[in-house]
Amino acid sequence: DIQMTQSPSSLSASVGDRLTITCRASQSISSDLNWYQQKPGKAPKILISAAVTLQSGVPSRFSGSGSGTDFSLTISSLEPEDFATYFCQQNYNTPYTFGQGTKVENK
Amino acid sequence: QMQLQESGPGLVKPSETLSLSCTVSGGSISSYYWSWIRQPAGKGLEWIGHLRATGGVTYNPSLKSRVTLSMDTSENRFSLKLTSVTAADTAIYYCTRVAYRSVYPITYNWFDPWGQGTLVTVSS
Repeated sequence: DIQMTQSPSSLSASVGDRLTITCRASQSISSDLNWYQQKPGKAPKILISAAVTLQSGVPSRFSGSGSGTDFSLTISSLEPEDFATYFCQQNYNTPYTFGQGTKVENK
Repeated sequence: QMQLQESGPGLVKPSETLSLSCTVSGGSISSYYWSWIRQPAGKGLEWIGHLRATGGVTYNPSLKSRVTLSMDTSENRFSLKLTSVTAADTAIYYCTRVAYRSVYPITYNWFDPWGQGTLVTVSS
């Protein structure tokens, strides 16, 4: 199985902050990497597919980068609705696997 | 707009079989792959498997010996059966569509939309 490791596991930030979450794959996955946002009691929501493609309706403050084994999700200016948990997911090989999540909390 | 809704018992006894269904509205399940994903409380996400109407089912090897996915196109729903459950199978179970975009020669997939999730507790 491809292991996905996110860092940090949690972070405290304030509205307006720029933050970056990283995700590392245990082997190269090309650009087959997705990012999801999950709020308490809700299902995950797709933000970015194919490492860099912003999904329809997702604010442009979210961006993704990377290829191979190292990826990142950046929020350029944190909004109140962005406090949530973020997961990366590789779709390169089955079994599809997720990172352990990064919880973004209000400082 | 496509919507997915999980249904099934919220409580299953140890060693018994967990059975869930996912009803799809706003689109046909005859297209696309469809997946089940689970999430123990406060933990990460685990992909269980996927299937499509034209055949082809893939399971997570960690669950393969206990899982069966099936589809009923006449009812526009697909189902999950997990046998010999233990407390470790207690989780929120989500059904989801595997969306895709093809940029020749590569097809990129992601999970969207998702059902709201259903909590299944394994306990006597």
